Amino acid sequence: KAGVTQTPRYLIKTRGQQVTLSCSPISGHRSVSWYQQTPGQGLQFLFEYFSETQRNKGNFPGRFSGRQFSNSRSEMNVSTLELGDSALYLCASSLVSAGDLGGPQYFGAGTRLSVL
Amino acid sequence: AQTVTQSQPEMSVQEAETVTLSCTYDTSESNYYLFWYKQPPSRQMILVIRQEAYKQQNATENRFSVNFQKAAKSFSLKISDSQLGDTAMYFCALSYGNKLVFGAGTILRVKS
Repeated sequence: KAGVTQTPRYLIKTRGQQVTLSCSPISGHRSVSWYQQTPGQGLQFLFEYFSETQRNKGNFPGRFSGRQFSNSRSEMNVSTLELGDSALYLCASSLVSAGDLGGPQYFGAGTRLSVL
Repeated sequence: AQTVTQSQPEMSVQEAETVTLSCTYDTSESNYYLFWYKQPPSRQMILVIRQEAYKQQNATENRFSVNFQKAAKSFSLKISDSQLGDTAMYFCALSYGNKLVFGAGTILRVKS
């Protein structure tokens, strides 16, 4: 079974631009979560989507948004990029049902975003 | 709010020896999951082991085992027969509502 696929692997953008990252979950997984990893703040939860609905949201500004499609693929968008948005963005998928408290999450290789 | 604390920023161990990584957490929930993830230099986050809070038996996965003390809110990872490939950053994580809260991580270096 193919793992979680994130594209692109690397991105370089300038301040003020916007960016879209993509994540394809493991086949059959309906939950997709996004995390930001930086040296200063560590790993922080951005949001989770389940069956095309945002189910959980972390403490990030509205410039960070996402969506999930009917095939469970997810995209994350960051608008008006700031230098501090430079990070590794990780996507994880999980085989959970609607009422599940949470099972193991399986991660993609990440997208390294650099904002100049 | 849920928090996870890893008090050891860095550790080293000789190949074939045993090492224990510490993790404490705080949550007001009674049912949750705990995980250890490994992130090698390639940056790929790999699931090492998981523990369901309602299960008293400690999880084991080959050379990896945990010591789960629910009352003390402690969740340590023991790696036996350490191998060079175990060199990585190890993250302890707490899951509730399918949201993972991570500790700051422990860098483990296995020396030959």
